[in-house]
Amino acid sequence: QVQLQESGPGLVKPSQTLSLTCTVSGDSVSSGTSYWSWIRQPAGKGLEWIGRIDSSGTINYNPSLKSRVTISLDTSKNQFSLTLNSVTAADTAVYYCARIMSGARWGRFDFWGQGTLVTVSS
Amino acid sequence: SSELTQDPAVSVALRQRVRITCQGDSLRSNYASWYQQKPGQAPLLVFYGKDNRPSGIPDRFSGSSSGNTASLIITGAQAEDEADYYCNSRDSSGNYLFGGGTKLTVL
Repeated sequence: QVQLQESGPGLVKPSQTLSLTCTVSGDSVSSGTSYWSWIRQPAGKGLEWIGRIDSSGTINYNPSLKSRVTISLDTSKNQFSLTLNSVTAADTAVYYCARIMSGARWGRFDFWGQGTLVTVSS
Repeated sequence: SSELTQDPAVSVALRQRVRITCQGDSLRSNYASWYQQKPGQAPLLVFYGKDNRPSGIPDRFSGSSSGNTASLIITGAQAEDEADYYCNSRDSSGNYLFGGGTKLTVL
């Protein structure tokens, strides 16, 4: 069974950098068949896709966040990470990591972490 | 446009059939995936592709697609199906999109 677990600070000051790590078990982030993704959800609102990475180094970011986001892989630890720069209160949300399985005409987020709440506040 | 549009809220009587829809240009060339989210929980994949249901998902969940519209259909809705439902697709740039979500109420 694939499991993902987010970790990182729950409180970040405005203008600083948010950093989260997702630890994967039951699959390898080096796998050529899986993509690894971050999604966030502000309280009471919908899901927002942040970006994804795969083992070939291909990375896609949400255009609305692209200037502030970096996603990276650490194959030695079977982890992937998210950094979001210059945060504001609008970045306060539950952040999820998830695995994507992709096909020719679809991509499904089949395993999710439990989510971690990150609050941006001074 | 790179958006997926869902009705904010839908209701269904217990044991009746309900359709939750998702519209967007990306659906003309890519199938939708559907997620159920209950309060305080991570989303759960309930249907994807042309006709695929993950292991453990009841067969009352099904899907369809036509043109720029994808649908999640629940046949014989149960009380435990009350949740938020999100559609998701991939666009031509390889980016992923989520719909705004539909709150399903089972009466």
